[in-house]
Amino acid sequence: QKEVEQDPGPLSVPEGAIVSLNCTYSNSAFQYFMWYRQYSRKGPELLMYTYSSGNKEDGRFTAQVDKSSKYISLFIRDSQPSDSATYLCAMRLYGGATNKLIFGTGTLLAVQP
Amino acid sequence: DVKVTQSSRYLVKRTGEKVFLECVQDMDHENMFWYRQDPGLGLRLIYFSYDVKMKEKGDIPEGYSVSREKKERFSLILESASTNQTSMYLCASSVQRGYTFGSGTRLTVV
Repeated sequence: QKEVEQDPGPLSVPEGAIVSLNCTYSNSAFQYFMWYRQYSRKGPELLMYTYSSGNKEDGRFTAQVDKSSKYISLFIRDSQPSDSATYLCAMRLYGGATNKLIFGTGTLLAVQP
Repeated sequence: DVKVTQSSRYLVKRTGEKVFLECVQDMDHENMFWYRQDPGLGLRLIYFSYDVKMKEKGDIPEGYSVSREKKERFSLILESASTNQTSMYLCASSVQRGYTFGSGTRLTVV
């Protein structure tokens, strides 16, 4: 079993839709949770960063962490064609000198105009 | 603006060649990482380094080595390239928050 599971999609939605992207994980010791966005032929860029459980909002994006269920989500409101990308979840343990992240395999999102 | 720069965007190499992939960061980060990214497999960690001249194996180190002689530069070496090493290679650096990635090098081994 992988440490982090993510539905690969592809997920296709119309412009303006609310998008929900999800990951589950098995290691209850994970404390830091991130979402990366990766456009085609580019490196991933950090989108959201959260610590422990709860919600964090940044513009049209909301990251949600439920540690009791080992489940994290990224919501995109009023989705735009420019949101079309692969979204990767990532997480790591508390502390540690190397800050090594464990990544999901990514979900490919297409927002249709 | 902070940057991680990978020297090549696209490379085509022959089987058996020794290949060097270079990565430079300008953020004075201690931690640097090399990943490869393949469809359906996601990002897999090859090697990482948390200080100059220090290196640790990741999940798939076989067939690769690394060098970190200066803090800002982390090199990935394919000792004898093989076709199964055709992939997108991503370098990253970090402090406490998430990683900053380079744009990637798409390597094709023929």
